[in-house]
This record gives sequence, C-alpha cells and structure tokens, in this order.
Amino acid sequence: AQSVSQHNHHVILSEAASLELGCNYSYGGTVNLFWYVQYPGQHLQLLLKYFSGDPLVKGIKGFEAEFIKSKFSFNLRKPSVQWSDTAEYFCAADGNQFYFGTGTSLTVIP
Amino acid sequence: GAVVSQHPSRVICKSGTSVKIECRSLDFQATTMFWYRQFPKQSLMLMATSNEGSKATYEQGVEKDKFLINHASLTLSTLTVTSAHPEDSSFYICSARDSQRAGTAFFGQGTRLTVV
Repeated sequence: AQSVSQHNHHVILSEAASLELGCNYSYGGTVNLFWYVQYPGQHLQLLLKYFSGDPLVKGIKGFEAEFIKSKFSFNLRKPSVQWSDTAEYFCAADGNQFYFGTGTSLTVIP
Repeated sequence: GAVVSQHPSRVICKSGTSVKIECRSLDFQATTMFWYRQFPKQSLMLMATSNEGSKATYEQGVEKDKFLINHASLTLSTLTVTSAHPEDSSFYICSARDSQRAGTAFFGQGTRLTVV
C-alpha cells in the first residue's frame, strides 16, 4: 500500500539554524513528490515539487529537497531558518493517489 | 496561480442535519479532486478521491453513505455530511488536481465544521 512517513513530529530551532525534515514514501511505481506548508491560520501552500529530472529541487523561500530513489526519501532542507518559517510542513506523494505524511510542526525561536 | 475555492469556510449545524461543502477550481479544470479531513494535532487524512462523472473512491473506514461526494463538473465537487454528529466536527479540506500543470494539486481554504 502507498504511504508517506515523516519522522520528525515537532522540531524547534533557533533562527539561522539549518533545517532538515525527513520524508519517506512507499510506492512501487512512478511517484511525484511534494512539500506543502501551512502557516498558522492559513491554508496549505505548495513549497516545491519533484516530478523528474534533477533530484535536487529548489522551491520558494529558500527551501530545497532532494529525491533519493534508492532510499525512497524526499527530505526538505533550508540552510538558515527564520522566525517566519514557523509552520506545519507536510510531505506528500502522488502515485496512484495523493497521500500526505503526518506533518512536522516547526517552531523557530527568534 | 491556480485557485481553489472552498465554501463555506465555517459552518455550525445541529446534530442530525446535513451540511454541504463546495470545492471549485476557479481557473482550471480538475478531473480529479480529493477530500481530506484534519483532526486536531493530526495529519490530513484522505477521505475520498473524486473523479468527474464517476463515483468517488473512498478510503478504508470512510462511510460513503455518510460522506456523499458528487463531482458533476470539471470545476465543482461537493461533500455532503449527512446526519451530522458532534464527532463529525473537524476541518475538511479539498484539493483539485490540475491536469494541465503536470498534475499539481491545489488546495481550498478548508471548512471548519462544528456540529452541536
């Protein structure tokens, strides 16, 4: 069965720290991968997506993610977080259907 | 960017009544729409996949007779919560897959349903 797992449920960082959020998917076929962000009080927004090509994908607001096929992973990274990055982050996989991970709550301390 | 409009954003209803939530893709055609439910402090849970002109596909454990989904056009899908109960209170979100933009899914604003 298709599934998406995020290992970090709650992450707390200081401003300027580096960020890496883990995401693993399980699906045997071709899969498109996404990271979405939900800022407090707002709806989901697309951060970045991977369909094919360069496995290192750059998104908005300085975020990037790397698709490692052998590890079934699509981790999200940002070299230096800001207080405004405080939000809920969801990894998603679109294979047969569209599935979300459990989400990671990121709190950035000024 | 693509816009998905979900209405209403908040609704309060009495137990036993039905509530309809609309999801519209405003500037693109969506042959596929998804309905999610978000429980407090938990992940989005896929409830069903809605395909235009055909019956929705429900995830295991989701009552299809309670959560009626209709996708009558390429820009509109509706979710009707029938005979609502307090445990149905939740945040419901729809998303629409834009077939012209390599299948990227865009989300509605969500609907906060409170059943009293």
